[in-house]
Amino acid sequence: EVHLVESGGGLVKPGGSLRLSCAASGFTFDNYAMHWVRQAPGKGLEWVSGIGWNSGGIDYADSVKGRFTISRDSVKNSLFLQMDSLRAADTAFYYCAKALTGDSSTLDSWGQGTLVTVSS
Amino acid sequence: SSELTQDPAVSVALGRTVRVTCQGDSLRTYYANWYQQKPGQAPVLVIYGKNDRPSGIPARLSGSSSGNTASLTITGAQADDEADYYCSSRDITGNHVVFGGGTKLTVL
Repeated sequence: EVHLVESGGGLVKPGGSLRLSCAASGFTFDNYAMHWVRQAPGKGLEWVSGIGWNSGGIDYADSVKGRFTISRDSVKNSLFLQMDSLRAADTAFYYCAKALTGDSSTLDSWGQGTLVTVSS
Repeated sequence: SSELTQDPAVSVALGRTVRVTCQGDSLRTYYANWYQQKPGQAPVLVIYGKNDRPSGIPARLSGSSSGNTASLTITGAQADDEADYYCSSRDITGNHVVFGGGTKLTVL
């Protein structure tokens, strides 16, 4: 069974940084693309970033490009999101999601999310 | 604004059929994925590709597409179907993923 567990969320001041982690288990991590999707409280889903099975095909939403960096570690079976220059508008639950294939944008498994709050 | 457009809210009587739609130019090129999200829970993939359902998703949920519009149809809606439904696909460039604004489905 696929299991995705996010961590690293919390309260941070505007301009600050956070690094989110997603521990993956129950599947061959190296074979699948992975994505981050966020959801501000009471709002809809917003795709943040995706990374291909071989760390290629990295893409970012325009709203985070230049501030966020996605990466993955096949030894640790983990996905990461380095978030810098955080803004109040980045406040959201951040979900880690597994893709259907190595380069897909179809997200067939999701973690439970970690809350990031950007506030002074 | 989202490049995929959904009606904010739809209601259906118990046991009846309801269609949730999603419009966007990228849907002329890419299939839509549909996600179901219940309060306090993570989204769940319910329809992908032409009309595929992940294991465990009931057959009363189905997908279709025509032109720039994708549809999620629930035939014989159950109380358990009450949720927010989001469509997604690649954007028109193919580089990014986009989500619709979501449709809140109420089963009466």
